[in-house]
Amino acid sequence: NAGVTQTPKFRVLKTGQSMTLLCAQDMNHEYMYWYRQDPGMGLRLIHYSVGEGTTAKGEVPDGYNVSRLKKQNFLLGLESAAPSQTSVYFCASSSPGLAREQYFGPGTRLTVT
Amino acid sequence: AQKITQTQPGMFVQEKEAVTLDCTYDTSDQSYGLFWYKQPSSGEMIFLIYQGSYDEQNATEGRYSLNFQKARKSANLVISASQLGDSAMYFCAMREIKVNYGGSQGNLIFGKGTKLSVKP
Repeated sequence: NAGVTQTPKFRVLKTGQSMTLLCAQDMNHEYMYWYRQDPGMGLRLIHYSVGEGTTAKGEVPDGYNVSRLKKQNFLLGLESAAPSQTSVYFCASSSPGLAREQYFGPGTRLTVT
Repeated sequence: AQKITQTQPGMFVQEKEAVTLDCTYDTSDQSYGLFWYKQPSSGEMIFLIYQGSYDEQNATEGRYSLNFQKARKSANLVISASQLGDSAMYFCAMREIKVNYGGSQGNLIFGKGTKLSVKP
């Protein structure tokens, strides 16, 4: 039972390059999330999904796209990376419900030069 | 206005002493949930404790307890008998229920965190 996994763990991009971050969960959770964490800012929600085939924007969606083609996977794409997207990215998943905690992946450290 | 406010960017506590990490929140909803997460230097996010707005008793989980004062809109985390391994960032988060996609979805809103350092 791996929980939530993220690929890759580290990545360096040049401005304008594209990449996709992969999140996978094996807990059969309906909901999945992508956050970014910047120093002094806490975690901010980028996009989320409440089920296979559905996605929605969070607090800071600009410059990112997502897809949830399979229930267990949630992909985050950067089409044209910018230095402002240098951050640590976390994926999380949860079951529906007020009291349900989110389970987080280990994070991906992305640097855009 | 910030939904979650953690006013202590950093705190120190002596090993074996208790420490309180402050969290205030802002919501007009009657039904909401409050969470605390720990982030050690290794980076992973670890769920610690949950308090529902309708829970009559303060939540406890081992050495963690949540001092929930609904009228003051505060949900402070109390760590008893601090250990060196408690040194970490601590995040308070709130979930409000929003109707979406024909059902309900509540995203977590995080505070900016408090860095706790435990001194030997």
